Amino acid sequence: NAGVTQTPKFRVLKTGQSMTLLCAQDMNHEYMYWYRQDPGMGLRLIHYSVGEGTTAKGEVPDGYNVSRLKKQNFLLGLESAAPSQTSVYFCASSYSRGRGSPLHFGNGTRLTVT
Amino acid sequence: QQQVKQSPQSLIVQKGGISIINCAYENTAFDYFPWYQQFPGKGPALLIAIRPDVSEKKEGRFTISFNKSAKQFSLHIMDSQPGDSATYFCAVSGGGADGLTFGKGTHLIIQP
Repeated sequence: NAGVTQTPKFRVLKTGQSMTLLCAQDMNHEYMYWYRQDPGMGLRLIHYSVGEGTTAKGEVPDGYNVSRLKKQNFLLGLESAAPSQTSVYFCASSYSRGRGSPLHFGNGTRLTVT
Repeated sequence: QQQVKQSPQSLIVQKGGISIINCAYENTAFDYFPWYQQFPGKGPALLIAIRPDVSEKKEGRFTISFNKSAKQFSLHIMDSQPGDSATYFCAVSGGGADGLTFGKGTHLIIQP
C-alpha cells in the first residue's frame, strides 16, 4: 500500500542543468498535482492534471513542464534549473476535484540548485 | 493576491494547553476548508475538514470553527501533546478552481 511515491528524494543540480521528478500513485486517482514548498510561503501549485493525457498550469508554472502519459504517473521537468527553483517538491493525488476529496501527498523531493 | 491568510506563523504551547490557528479568506465561492498536518520529512496529510453549511466540526481533540460571515475559520487543538508538534496548513477549495490553495503554514511546538 504505497500511496504516492516520489523519486528521487534528494537532488543537487547546477544552474542550467535539467532533470525530471517522477511521481507514481497506486490509488487509481484521476487528479494529480505538483506543489513546491518554500519557507514562509506555504505550498504553491505548479501544475496539475485532471486525467491521463491532460495537464494544466497552477499558480507558479514558469520554468517547469509536466506530462501525464499514464494515469498512475505524473512527471515534473526542469529544462534549465535556476537557484530560484531550490525547494521541496511535493506530488499529490486525489480521487476527484478538490471538494471532499482529500489530497494524498508523497514525502517530497528536496532539490538544491547551485 | 493571497487567497488565504494564516496566522500565527509560529506558536509555542505548553502540554495540555489549547492551540489555536486562524485562517481568513476572501472568495465567498470557496466551499471546502481542510486543515493539513505535516511532520518533518513527510508530506502533508489531511487532519480535518469542514464545509460552509456547518459552524463547527470536532474530531477527537481537533475542532474546526467556521464563521461564514467573517470569512474566517480556525483550528483548535485541545489538550495539546508533544506529538502534535508539526506544521499546520489551512486550505481552501472551490470557486471553479482545481486543487487546493494553501495558507503559509503555522509551525506549532508543544512544550512538555
